[in-house]
Amino acid sequence: DAGITQSPRHKVTETGTPVTLRCHQTENHRYMYWYRQDPGHGLRLIHYSYGVKDTDKGEVSDGYSVSRSKTEDFLLTLESATSSQTSVYFCAINMLDGGELFFGEGSRLTVL
Amino acid sequence: DAKTTQPPSMDCAEGRAANLPCNHSTISGNEYVYWYRQIHSQGPQYIIHGLKNNETNEMASLIITEDRKSSTLILPHATLRDTAVYYCIVREQGAQKLVFGQGTRLTINP
Repeated sequence: DAGITQSPRHKVTETGTPVTLRCHQTENHRYMYWYRQDPGHGLRLIHYSYGVKDTDKGEVSDGYSVSRSKTEDFLLTLESATSSQTSVYFCAINMLDGGELFFGEGSRLTVL
Repeated sequence: DAKTTQPPSMDCAEGRAANLPCNHSTISGNEYVYWYRQIHSQGPQYIIHGLKNNETNEMASLIITEDRKSSTLILPHATLRDTAVYYCIVREQGAQKLVFGQGTRLTINP
């Protein structure tokens, strides 16, 4: 257990509403990631962070923003949710440079 | 990132060795080969990684060809709990992005 908690685990919301997903870690890992997973697309990287206030875009960052104001929390925000953002979102952490990733249990988001 | 090619699905009998192939013909010298798996709807789980030499841990063995253009993940005695999607990924040393492909859906049959 790498000490990763995602919240909420399930959420249903309406198009146009803001949504924030939280990834919390207890291991003081430097690197944190947000992925989304959709049928037919596998896992795709949205954003990642390499330290407090240090973030970078992944391959599918449009429509998403992130923030990391403290080491233990990495927030993913959908400013105005769309149906295309219905997905399962996974957070991951990586302490070592080039080391393996540990994934959370996922957050299932449905945008109606 | 270098691309990988994996068969979309494979079957294996319980108790037999499962051999999952991966092609990465454009891999560069400083890129590692990583394997992850995802059981049902859980988060992906790290299995093993290697650069040039073959690697073995408590979960699996990784065989990398001499030219490094392909590799094989071996589960020596597959069980029903090994049924999952297996992802082969190449990753540059020091790079922080891990790009997943479609993976291979491995089904272990009783």
